[in-house]
Amino acid sequence: DGGITQSPKYLFRKEGQNVTLSCEQNLNHDAMYWYRQDPGQGLRLIYYSQIVNDFQKGDIAEGYSVSREKKESFPLTVTSAQKNPTAFYLCASSISRDRGQRSYEQYFGPGTRLTVT
Amino acid sequence: DAKTTQPPSMDCAEGRAANLPCNHSTISGNEYVYWYRQIHSQGPQYIIHGLKNNETNEMASLIITEDRKSSTLILPHATLRDTAVYYCIVRVAPRYGQNFVFGPGTRLSVLP
Repeated sequence: DGGITQSPKYLFRKEGQNVTLSCEQNLNHDAMYWYRQDPGQGLRLIYYSQIVNDFQKGDIAEGYSVSREKKESFPLTVTSAQKNPTAFYLCASSISRDRGQRSYEQYFGPGTRLTVT
Repeated sequence: DAKTTQPPSMDCAEGRAANLPCNHSTISGNEYVYWYRQIHSQGPQYIIHGLKNNETNEMASLIITEDRKSSTLILPHATLRDTAVYYCIVRVAPRYGQNFVFGPGTRLSVLP
């Protein structure tokens, strides 16, 4: 089955530790995204990548880092510099070049809930 | 991208149609209306989108007013599994790699 996987579903870390969240997709999508969601809030964009070896900062990139070494993978590292890292993290992907489709909707993974104490 | 306004919450009886409104009075001619939903603690799910014509798929119908300043998402026979937060997003046809901006949405509760 095609889709996006994120692991783990729940993650616990001590303050001051870096932590890396996994995101893998087998949809053959070029673009991938990381969002953060806080309780009762909408999604906010952290980073996005349009193509392998390229990525751009979103609205709240401070304290986060990413890499895009493979088309299928877009891991997010939450560094110790992120002041409020506890949140629900969502990864998404989409096509990014016109392949004769009408829409470019994003497909989301199940999310990782990170708790830092 | 145009700003949208949605009611924070709505209730709907199971089996009845759920009509979720969205105002987007500043929408421009090349902006689409997208609807996503998010069931608790899961990733958002694409529902439907449209430009100016009404659209229907297996999940829902989208009714866009003639002036395009508002729209309504219709779930024809709501079930308990439709309880979720519904997001209305207005944006140009996504350019290369651009993201969607998700506001707080409408929390729909389908009641037995």
